[in-house]
Amino acid sequence: AQSVTQPDIHITVSEGASLELRCNYSYGATPYLFWYVQSPGQGLQLLLKYFSGDTLVQGIKGFEAEFKRSQSSFNLRKPSVHWSDAAEYFCAVVKETSGSRLTFGEGTQLTVNP
Amino acid sequence: GAVVSQHPSRVICKSGTSVKIECRSLDFQATTMFWYRQFPKQSLMLMATSNEGSKATYEQGVEKDKFLINHASLTLSTLTVTSAHPEDSSFYICSAGLRASYNEQFFGPGTRLTVL
Repeated sequence: AQSVTQPDIHITVSEGASLELRCNYSYGATPYLFWYVQSPGQGLQLLLKYFSGDTLVQGIKGFEAEFKRSQSSFNLRKPSVHWSDAAEYFCAVVKETSGSRLTFGEGTQLTVNP
Repeated sequence: GAVVSQHPSRVICKSGTSVKIECRSLDFQATTMFWYRQFPKQSLMLMATSNEGSKATYEQGVEKDKFLINHASLTLSTLTVTSAHPEDSSFYICSAGLRASYNEQFFGPGTRLTVL
């Protein structure tokens, strides 16, 4: 079965520090990969996505993610975190044949200290 | 572009009543719409997938008679929670698949349902 794992439930960083949120997937082929951000009581906003091609993907708000097939990972990074980045982050995958059905990871809560 | 709205944003109802939540794609036609449920501090769980003009496909463990989904047009899907009980209290989020981009979904802002 396809699954997505976000090993870190909660991460705290200082404003201006770099950030890396981990995401691992288990699936035989390369799925479509997404990172979403959710502010409290809000829906989800797409940060970036990977379908194919260049394994380093640039997204909105200064985020990037790198797909590493050998590690089945799609980690999200940001070189300098802003206080407004505090939110819940979800990694998600779509299996090509699943008809757009998203499978979400458990989420990582990001706290940003001043 | 690709904006999805939900109405209402919050609803409080008494146990035993039914509640309807609307999901609209405002500026595009959505071939497929999805309904998710999210409990506090948890991830999103897919409840059902609805395609315009056909019956919804429910995930295992989701009661189709309790969570009625209608997708009557390419821009509107509704979720009706019938005979709601306190355990149905949750955050319900819909998403819409863009016709020309089958593997990407755009999410609504969510509806907070509280059943007293």
